[in-house]
Amino acid sequence: EAGVTQSPTHLIKTRGQQATLRCSPISGHTSVYWYQQALGLGLQFLLWYDEGEERNRGNFPPRFSGRQFPNYSSELNVNALELEDSALYLCASSLRQGTYEQYFGPGTRLTVT
Amino acid sequence: DAKTTQPPSMDCAEGRAANLPCNHSTISGNEYVYWYRQIHSQGPQYIIHGLKNNETNEMASLIITEDRKSSTLILPHATLRDTAVYYCIVRVVGEGKLIFGQGTELSVKP
Repeated sequence: EAGVTQSPTHLIKTRGQQATLRCSPISGHTSVYWYQQALGLGLQFLLWYDEGEERNRGNFPPRFSGRQFPNYSSELNVNALELEDSALYLCASSLRQGTYEQYFGPGTRLTVT
Repeated sequence: DAKTTQPPSMDCAEGRAANLPCNHSTISGNEYVYWYRQIHSQGPQYIIHGLKNNETNEMASLIITEDRKSSTLILPHATLRDTAVYYCIVRVVGEGKLIFGQGTELSVKP
């Protein structure tokens, strides 16, 4: 069974640009979660999507947004990139909303210069 | 903020049991205890979870005290590949997000 996949593996952007990160959940999983792991700040919850709807978001500004598609894959968009957005962005999926364990992908390393 | 307290680091000899403690003294009745680990720069890996009974799977055992205020993750025969940061998380049923604390950095030494 294929795990959670994320693309791209690495992304380099300039301050002020926009970044788009993609995630494909495990087959059969309807919930997708996004986390940010910045150096020195640990893993922080960003967004949770289930059945195409945003269910919860963490303490991040509105320039962090996303969506979930009918096939349950998801996209994270970061607008007006700032240097402190440089981080490992992790996507996770679970069987259904909230209850089950989350399985994480390998992450996308975003570097903002 | 994380609702758990873990020691920042621990060492374990290869082949021995690794016992990782976690304090969650404010846990409520509808909160589960989850354990994840993260090997350097990889995505976190689910290990095990429980509500009040002890649990065991192919990776580890989870011992939860009767008052549920603390728990211990046991890796019965630690290998070098178990070197990772281990996170103990309490989570309400139906709540999507995981709140990660600082975790315990476990070093398994030959």
